[in-house]
Amino acid sequence: GNSVTQMEGPVTLSEEAFLTINCTYTATGYPSLFWYVQYPGEGLQLLLKATKADDKGSNKGFEATYRKETTSFHLEKGSVQVSDSAVYFCALPRAQKLVFGQGTRLTINP
Amino acid sequence: ETGVTQSPTHLIKTRGQQVTLRCSSQSGHNTVSWYQQALGQGPQFIFQYYREEENGRGNFPPRFSGLQFPNYSSELNVNALELDDSALYLCASSLVWGVEGDTQYFGPGTRLTVL
Repeated sequence: GNSVTQMEGPVTLSEEAFLTINCTYTATGYPSLFWYVQYPGEGLQLLLKATKADDKGSNKGFEATYRKETTSFHLEKGSVQVSDSAVYFCALPRAQKLVFGQGTRLTINP
Repeated sequence: ETGVTQSPTHLIKTRGQQVTLRCSSQSGHNTVSWYQQALGQGPQFIFQYYREEENGRGNFPPRFSGLQFPNYSSELNVNALELDDSALYLCASSLVWGVEGDTQYFGPGTRLTVL
């Protein structure tokens, strides 16, 4: 069945550094792919999504490209801010549910 | 447009008790899913409701049960609470599941602590 593997954290960067969080998937067909973000003490917020191969999702300076050749959906941001400190989850659908990666905790130091 | 809301925000119970968590779906959404998120883990699917019927269930025992009401709001009930039930419970709503590209929108969660 559909599944995702996400790079393990935690990840610690300095402000304005470049960010990559790796996500690879196993899927039947070409399902939509999602990145969700969870700020401390909060629920999950949809960060971005892509619905087909070669689609690029983007939001708040974050980008991810749906790459079927490498079955990847890596999350990138060119210049991170302290306010980006959170846990990031890659996800895809399996039947009625979303299947999540284990999450990557990101800490940005000023 | 009103987003997904959940109540209560926090809850403390003791082992063996029963708890009811509530969720109001985003305006216009008719499908509600519930997830359990243990500390440091990703969310795990409990079940989904569509048009007041259970529409899929994860690997959770029968003491986890739910309801969906005509206004698409939902309840999660957990009987005979165990210590391992301590977690963040997330509700998510969506318009129609099964349509490719559909998206689930999450509420802020209810933090349940079982002592």
